[in-house]
Amino acid sequence: EADIYQTPRYLVIGTGKKITLECSQTMGHDKMYWYQQDPGMELHLIHYSYGVNSTEKGDLSSESTVSRIRTEHFPLTLESARPSHTSQYLCASTARGTGIEQYFGPGTRLTVT
Amino acid sequence: GQQLNQSPQSMFIQEGEDVSMNCTSSSIFNTWLWYKQDPGEGPVLLIALYKAGELTSNGRLTAQFGITRKDSFLNISASIPSDVGIYFCAGLPPYSGGGADGLTFGKGTHLIIQP
Repeated sequence: EADIYQTPRYLVIGTGKKITLECSQTMGHDKMYWYQQDPGMELHLIHYSYGVNSTEKGDLSSESTVSRIRTEHFPLTLESARPSHTSQYLCASTARGTGIEQYFGPGTRLTVT
Repeated sequence: GQQLNQSPQSMFIQEGEDVSMNCTSSSIFNTWLWYKQDPGEGPVLLIALYKAGELTSNGRLTAQFGITRKDSFLNISASIPSDVGIYFCAGLPPYSGGGADGLTFGKGTHLIIQP
């Protein structure tokens, strides 16, 4: 079982604010991912990274950006939050090499008012 | 890209009943994963399957990798209230490319248990 952490768990913020969602893992996993999920719905990949200084956009277009300066840290930033960004954001990681299983953090529930 | 059809979309069952759900595709997959998501939490990996025909158990859960490589099944025996949640399947096709190492997720099966 991977140790992967997300903060904050819940965030309510006004329109136009800049926010950063934190994701950290302590397993030394190379690969990390961000998913967006509306309550009870399917997962949509929005960003992924294969290692330090590697970031790619996922299948679902997102106005958010990510960075990967350290192996264990993969923050997601929204420069100007809007109500349409209201959702749950899930971070995941996979072991290096041929690892396949993705291990998920607890998620951040974002509400933009 | 690859698509997974997960069914049923939701299930209402009595406590103690056995549960069956499945994931199918028109394409073949090399790996199948089954996750459970509790409300307000992230998905937790339940079972991973790597070979066609493989049958793997985890407590009251049993999952199978279909022999055609186009489907997978998850069974839960003697359901209890804490089994409530959303169950997701995920598959890895043979020649994956693009995001997330090509893992494709199903849309989930919502399990509701009535005491």
